[in-house]
Amino acid sequence: DADVTQTPRNRITKTGKRIMLECSQTKGHDRMYWYRQDPGLGLRLIYYSFDVKDINKGEISDGYSVSRQAQAKFSLSLESAIPNQTALYFCATSDLPFDEQFFGPGTRLTVL
Amino acid sequence: DQQVKQNSPSLSVQEGRISILNCDYTNSMFDYFLWYKKYPAEGPTFLISISSIKDKNEDGRFTVFLNKSAKHLSLHIVPSQPGDSAVYFCAASPNYGGSQGNLIFGKGTKLSVKP
Repeated sequence: DADVTQTPRNRITKTGKRIMLECSQTKGHDRMYWYRQDPGLGLRLIYYSFDVKDINKGEISDGYSVSRQAQAKFSLSLESAIPNQTALYFCATSDLPFDEQFFGPGTRLTVL
Repeated sequence: DQQVKQNSPSLSVQEGRISILNCDYTNSMFDYFLWYKKYPAEGPTFLISISSIKDKNEDGRFTVFLNKSAKHLSLHIVPSQPGDSAVYFCAASPNYGGSQGNLIFGKGTKLSVKP
């Protein structure tokens, strides 16, 4: 079984809809992250959480919100999706600050 | 402004030869550098890292070199194999405040290794 799972893997939605992307991990890590990847732009940090009670905005948090339901679960929400939020979304986890981050397989989101 | 730059969007190399992927950064507070590899339809996977107190780190066919004065690092793959064909991301981590451990990624370089 994969250590970091993301659901759904693909999602097509319409402008204005509320969308939730979910991430679960079995690695026992405290630190979790949400990134988006756009063609030619690399990965950009949306939100990160160092433990259940600690949530922080990343580089591009506008239009997104997150919920850390448990150590193992970190959800990303788009309250009212817009077309420029069409992207690949990745969840990641790490143990210590300078440890490698382990990424999930990604969610491809298309907003029409 | 981009803090981590990978100026070559793509690189093509013959199997068996050396692949050199380059990365430049602008923030002198970056303390830790990592390379990730990404295949299509998969998440990035960690490849190799280097701390700012070192200038070289080696792991099998992969070596990362760090030149702090030039704010430049490079990833060498020797010998290159067709399975190395992927997008390679350079990432840097600052060592200050609440951002400690967060990664700032470059745009990636697509490596193609031809048989």
